[in-house]
Amino acid sequence: AQTVTQSQPEMSVQEAETVTLSCTYDTSESDYYLFWYKQPPSRQMILVIRQEAYKQQNATENRFSVNFQKAAKSFSLKISDSQLGDAAMYFCAYRSGNQGGKLIFGQGTELSVKP
Amino acid sequence: DAGVIQSPRHEVTEMGQEVTLRCKPISGHNSLFWYRQTMMRGLELLIYFNNNVPIDDSGMPEDRFSAKMPNASFSTLKIQPSEPRDSAVYFCASSSTGYGYTFGSGTRLTVV
Repeated sequence: AQTVTQSQPEMSVQEAETVTLSCTYDTSESDYYLFWYKQPPSRQMILVIRQEAYKQQNATENRFSVNFQKAAKSFSLKISDSQLGDAAMYFCAYRSGNQGGKLIFGQGTELSVKP
Repeated sequence: DAGVIQSPRHEVTEMGQEVTLRCKPISGHNSLFWYRQTMMRGLELLIYFNNNVPIDDSGMPEDRFSAKMPNASFSTLKIQPSEPRDSAVYFCASSSTGYGYTFGSGTRLTVV
């Protein structure tokens, strides 16, 4: 069975600085997708970024980028120029390549941003 | 598009009562997922449907939980009888290709 591990329960960053959130996963599949979701205090789950395993190029969305290391089964999220609005719980998630598959989530990392 | 719509947003009920949570997925999405979020266990998949058919219900805690999807635009999650340990936030999500998932705002259930 696939598992997702986020080893940092909490992280803190100074406003305008850069922070990296870690995620590792375990799978025997070669075809899969990886996601980062943000959950602010409003509890809404917001997709931040996604990565297809078959793509070697790391995904980027504005200030958010990932470092996808397939061999190491690592999928970290880098937030550049951190803003107060980035403060939230961040979840890493895995999805098998089978169409319609379920998302498997990590435990989450609580990110605080200091002004 | 209004997104995934869940109701109610909050529910407080007494132990032993029946609780029904509702979800309207995004039109055109053929997969629907029910998740439960607690501090202790994080985000757990309870059940998911493809084309209105339940595919994996291995996450449903016990027989007190049941889920239905009578048509492509509506799903329910029912707990009968409810217990205090069922208190959690319940999310519904839908997807069309499995590449993007849209979550509803969740229902915060409190069983006293």
